Amino acid sequence: DAGVIQSPRHEVTEMGQEVTLRCKPISGHNSLFWYRQTMMRGLELLIYFNNNVPIDDSGMPEDRFSAKMPNASFSTLKIQPSEPRDSAVYFCASSTGTGYNEQFFGPGTRLTVL
Amino acid sequence: SQQGEEDPQALSIQEGENATMNCSYKTSINNLQWYRQNSGRGLVHLILIRSNEREKHSGRLRVTLDTSKKSSSLLITASRAADTASYFCATDVPQGGSEKLVFGKGTKLTVNP
Repeated sequence: DAGVIQSPRHEVTEMGQEVTLRCKPISGHNSLFWYRQTMMRGLELLIYFNNNVPIDDSGMPEDRFSAKMPNASFSTLKIQPSEPRDSAVYFCASSTGTGYNEQFFGPGTRLTVL
Repeated sequence: SQQGEEDPQALSIQEGENATMNCSYKTSINNLQWYRQNSGRGLVHLILIRSNEREKHSGRLRVTLDTSKKSSSLLITASRAADTASYFCATDVPQGGSEKLVFGKGTKLTVNP
């Protein structure tokens, strides 16, 4: 079975540009999570979807960040405009049931904003 | 705010030795999970222990949970170089109807061959 798929794996962009990160969860999983990992702040939950509906977006840092889940097999995280402090590794994870269950992580997207 | 915090932040041992990592948390939990992250990779789930369990085993892993002390430990026995990774504990945090995991900052384990 394919795990969680993320694209791109690496993204280098300039400040002010729009960045779109993509995620395909494991088939049959109904919860999807976007995390951001940095050395300083560790792993932070940005947003959590259940059955394609955003349940908790309290971790989204500011209006420059937005996330969508148009269907059960695809989600995007968009940053517009990007800033150097957005540089981090962004992970997508999925699980069955609620946010308390075992989560399966994708390989991550390493974002560098110059 | 940080719910779970691992201790130590870094641990270096020789192959064959046991490695023990600890996690402390602040509020009551339903379950606690441990994850491993190899360098440059996503996190991988290792084990889940429920609040009514005191100890759980999986291969060379042993996890204990002491809810009275709000702490958990992960023991890796007979460590191997391939165990080199960061290890994270994650606790469930009910917030306004949202059920989510909160991860600690991890323990970086290095197993020297």
